[in-house]
Amino acid sequence: EAQVTQNPRYLITVTGKKLTVTCSQNMNHEYMSWYRQDPGLGLRQIYYSMNVEVTDKGDVPEGYKVSRKEKRNFPLILESPSPNQTSLYFCASILAGGTYNEQFFGPGTRLTVL
Amino acid sequence: DAKTTQPPSMDCAEGRAANLPCNHSTISGNEYVYWYRQIHSQGPQYIIHGLKNNETNEMASLIITEDRKSSTLILPHATLRDTAVYYCIVRIYSNTGNQFYFGTGTSLTVIP
Repeated sequence: EAQVTQNPRYLITVTGKKLTVTCSQNMNHEYMSWYRQDPGLGLRQIYYSMNVEVTDKGDVPEGYKVSRKEKRNFPLILESPSPNQTSLYFCASILAGGTYNEQFFGPGTRLTVL
Repeated sequence: DAKTTQPPSMDCAEGRAANLPCNHSTISGNEYVYWYRQIHSQGPQYIIHGLKNNETNEMASLIITEDRKSSTLILPHATLRDTAVYYCIVRIYSNTGNQFYFGTGTSLTVIP
């Protein structure tokens, strides 16, 4: 089944404790992206990757890092989480080239930073 | 600056057409408009996208004005399962890649 998976789905942590949220897709998509969703603000793009070893900042990259060492994986790293990073996070992937049709989203990771 | 503007909420009677508007007045010539919907807090689901021509698929129709400053998503026969938050999105291409800008969404309630 074509899908984007994220782990963990729920995470409660404390300020300053480094964490990684994993994202994996099995569709051989070139483009992958991370979003955060906060009430009243819709989804905002954090980072995106056009392909392996190619990443770039989205609208709200502060406090986050990413890496793209393999095509299928795009982990999101919070080196020193803070309470303002409490949010619902979505990973997504899309087949690049052409008109970038359907973007597939993962199920979301709900992060709480105390 | 918001790339897209949507009304926060709308109601629609079951079986009637739902027309969801979106303003994207700063859109450039090569920037696509996408529509997604989200049910509860699940991952958003793709509906349709377009550049300048009107588009139709099995889910919906997308009407883009000639000046491309606004668009309308049309769900031709709304059902209760269409109750969701609908997002209008602009894809902006730069020399570093493609960025997607979501609006704040319209919460559509389909009423029996």
